[in-house]
Amino acid sequence: SQKIEQNSEALNIQEGKTATLTCNYTNYSPAYLQWYRQDPGRGPVFLLLIRENEKEKRKERLKVTFDTTLKQSLFHVTASQPADSATYLCALSSNDYKLSFGAGTTVTVRA
Amino acid sequence: NAGVTQTPKFQVLKTGQSMTLQCAQDMNHEYMSWYRQDPGMGLRLIHYSVGAGITDQGEVPNGYNVSRSTTEDFPLRLLSAAPSQTSVYFCASSYSKQGGYTFGSGTRLTVV
Repeated sequence: SQKIEQNSEALNIQEGKTATLTCNYTNYSPAYLQWYRQDPGRGPVFLLLIRENEKEKRKERLKVTFDTTLKQSLFHVTASQPADSATYLCALSSNDYKLSFGAGTTVTVRA
Repeated sequence: NAGVTQTPKFQVLKTGQSMTLQCAQDMNHEYMSWYRQDPGMGLRLIHYSVGAGITDQGEVPNGYNVSRSTTEDFPLRLLSAAPSQTSVYFCASSYSKQGGYTFGSGTRLTVV
């Protein structure tokens, strides 16, 4: 069955450093990969989408890579700030619209 | 611009009761979905719709019904609530099949 795995442990980093999160998947050939941010008690907020034929995408301090050979995506938050503290969710979809989510990785940025 | 609006925000049901979770969006999005979120399990797709009059099952559809009579509204019905349906429910919408999704703020449901 399809499986999406994100860093199971929470990530604690110092302000100004780069946070790197991992999303691995098995038994899946996604056409699109998305990253979302979720704050406690709130719904997820869309951050970035990357297609299977794209290697890397950037948006401000965010960078996403997508390696279909390794079946892995890396999500980077550079120059991290305490306001970046949240849970980050990886989501994959094929062409059938069904979006599957990983369990998320919680990031805490210390001032 | 309200985005995706879910009501109610909180609900407690007794086992066997039925109820409808409301979801409305004002962005003219064709694609709408319902997810449930449980600790450690991530978001799981219950049902989705690719336009008015068209719905399909997701990963965990049992015990839930949906309909889509208008582009704006996508209600989720619990037929006979069970404690296993205690969860946080999110509705989401998108302008395209692969586009980023806009989520509502969720409904926290407890079944006792």
